[in-house]
Amino acid sequence: SALTQPASVSGSPGQSITISCTGTTSDVGASKYVSWYQQYPGQAPELIIYDVNTRPSGVSSRFSGSKSANTASLTISGLRAEDEADYFCSSYTGSDTRVFGPGTKVTVL
Amino acid sequence: EVQLVESGGGLVQPGRSLRLSCAASGFTFGDYAMHWVRQAPGKGLEWVSGISWDSGARGYADSVKGRFTISRDNGKASLFLEMNSLRVGDTALYYCVKDMGDGQIMGYFRHWGQGARVIVS
Repeated sequence: SALTQPASVSGSPGQSITISCTGTTSDVGASKYVSWYQQYPGQAPELIIYDVNTRPSGVSSRFSGSKSANTASLTISGLRAEDEADYFCSSYTGSDTRVFGPGTKVTVL
Repeated sequence: EVQLVESGGGLVQPGRSLRLSCAASGFTFGDYAMHWVRQAPGKGLEWVSGISWDSGARGYADSVKGRFTISRDNGKASLFLEMNSLRVGDTALYYCVKDMGDGQIMGYFRHWGQGARVIVS
């Protein structure tokens, strides 16, 4: 993958955690087209953040996104057991191409 | 309700071809870009290909460029992926995905099908 994410992140209920997604000036740093996805085992992914920091309707406000230079971040506030899942970032890599990060497994302790 | 139903998956030998289809309903298909995203067993997501609303723009991952072709039929609300010269590494669950926005390729994967399983062996 052209993007890097930590393989795993963990936290206790109620805490906040942040997942990073690091790319280059050719992808994450090049545009607003950064998005994040949550995936539970055996299920299709769900879009939780797009345009770097916008939540689709129905997505909890506990999820927030940001970007600084070539690194995008997803923050989950007030961690809950139901947040235990895999999280993937995605970015523009060229006018008609996209790429996913390798994914981060979130564990709620 | 948006529905995306993939078909055409199966077991195929290396070097052979397969064509995936995706039947869309619940939205105006011709208004949106569409994508194929795959996931190998136990692995992460891999964007495979995307196509704009009018087929004017198409993009491919380097791993499939020259072997796979994406197309659509707006009149039949259908998306296709023609896969040639298949490799063992193409084994995955292939998702049909609807983009957000104005019909151009934005890469915001809003709605997903349940996937079509392709096994190359």
